[in-house]
Amino acid sequence: NAGVMQNPRHLVRRRGQEARLRCSPMKGHSHVYWYRQLPEEGLKFMVYLQKENIIDESGMPKERFSAEFPKEGPSILRIQQVVRGDSAAYFCASSPPSAGDNEQFFGPGTRLTVL
Amino acid sequence: AQSVTQLGSHVSVSEGALVLLRCNYSSSVPPYLFWYVQYPNQGLQLLLKYTSAATLVKGINGFEAEFKKSETSFHLTKPSAHMSDAAEYFCAVIKAAGNKLTFGGGTRVLVKP
Repeated sequence: NAGVMQNPRHLVRRRGQEARLRCSPMKGHSHVYWYRQLPEEGLKFMVYLQKENIIDESGMPKERFSAEFPKEGPSILRIQQVVRGDSAAYFCASSPPSAGDNEQFFGPGTRLTVL
Repeated sequence: AQSVTQLGSHVSVSEGALVLLRCNYSSSVPPYLFWYVQYPNQGLQLLLKYTSAATLVKGINGFEAEFKKSETSFHLTKPSAHMSDAAEYFCAVIKAAGNKLTFGGGTRVLVKP
């Protein structure tokens, strides 16, 4: 059973460009979470999605950031008009529908660098 | 609101010495608690988790942690450090039936030969 997949692993963008980060959850997992790790900081929750639904986006910046988890295909975290402060590692995690202990399985992350 | 505090952002230990990483949490409801390890440029790997069963939890790589409700703590220990333990360690909490992990600031462990 493959783990959580994220691509690309590294992404370089210039200021003003768009960044698209993809996450494929583990097989059988229908819950996806995105976290951001800024340099020298811990991980911060961004958004929690289930198939075709955003459940909790309390950690998402109000502008330029969006996330989706369509019926088919990976979850996408989209950052429009990137700025240098968006440079960070973005981690996706997934969990099955009935995770009694709420364990989340993490992907390897996408490291975004904004020039 | 939940929060997690990890005392000490950096810890240096000698190979073979005890590793002790401190984690205190605040939660309005009984939480689930986790320790994750992150090796350089990698994702997070679960070391162990507390889910209201035994208060002493054993994890991978010889690590264990003890849940102490009276102290709101979940400290991570390993009796004898190995060079391969050099990494960053994160304590995290999630409330029962919750959906988002709240992480501590992390503790970077350096192991000296």
